[in-house]
Amino acid sequence: GQQLNQSPQSMFIQEGEDVSMNCTSSSIFNTWLWYKQDPGEGPVLLIALYKAGELTSNGRLTAQFGITRKDSFLNISASIPSDVGIYFCAGQLTGTASKLTFGTGTRLQVTL
Amino acid sequence: GAGVSQTPSNKVTEKGKYVELRCDPISGHTALYWYRQSLGQGPEFLIYFQGTGAADDSGLPNDRFFAVRPEGSVSTLKIQRTERGDSAMYLCASSLAGGVNEQFFGPGTRLTVL
Repeated sequence: GQQLNQSPQSMFIQEGEDVSMNCTSSSIFNTWLWYKQDPGEGPVLLIALYKAGELTSNGRLTAQFGITRKDSFLNISASIPSDVGIYFCAGQLTGTASKLTFGTGTRLQVTL
Repeated sequence: GAGVSQTPSNKVTEKGKYVELRCDPISGHTALYWYRQSLGQGPEFLIYFQGTGAADDSGLPNDRFFAVRPEGSVSTLKIQRTERGDSAMYLCASSLAGGVNEQFFGPGTRLTVL
């Protein structure tokens, strides 16, 4: 099935650094969501975006719904060790009834 | 409150066997979804229920896969004649309703077909 393109695929950063990742699609979405997944567990919802151009924050996390509706960005400020995990974007295609299309994931590792 | 629960957490079976995976959604959530996640990839949609009926089963890979939700709450994903390629993490999610409501995931069932 289709998967959205996420970049970078993986990143190693030091504690305290800011992190940016993005997600692109060839299709338009009307909703974007960002999830974090730890090994052996299900994805946990971080942020949901419902409007093109929308910028939403959740603590140290900030996400944006791209103005073209074909991309989204996630930023993490002042990273801490518990930010380690895999981050997935997910979108809902316009006109379809609810299914999410996920990205390929960005693996984040934080060093002390 | 309780989140989405899935049982079993792990299932090991032999090629050709039949398996059932269970999902208990968040109480009051009318929409339920099944996804499959292979190692190193994002989850891929299988099927979506609104109440008791399957509103979208376009992600089921073939007719060996079937899912039910007879009372609009618990759902069972059934896989017949399992193949080694069916090995994956099977994730269930629920939301208040369909459409743009946020989906919350369970911990998944890790299926291994030997």
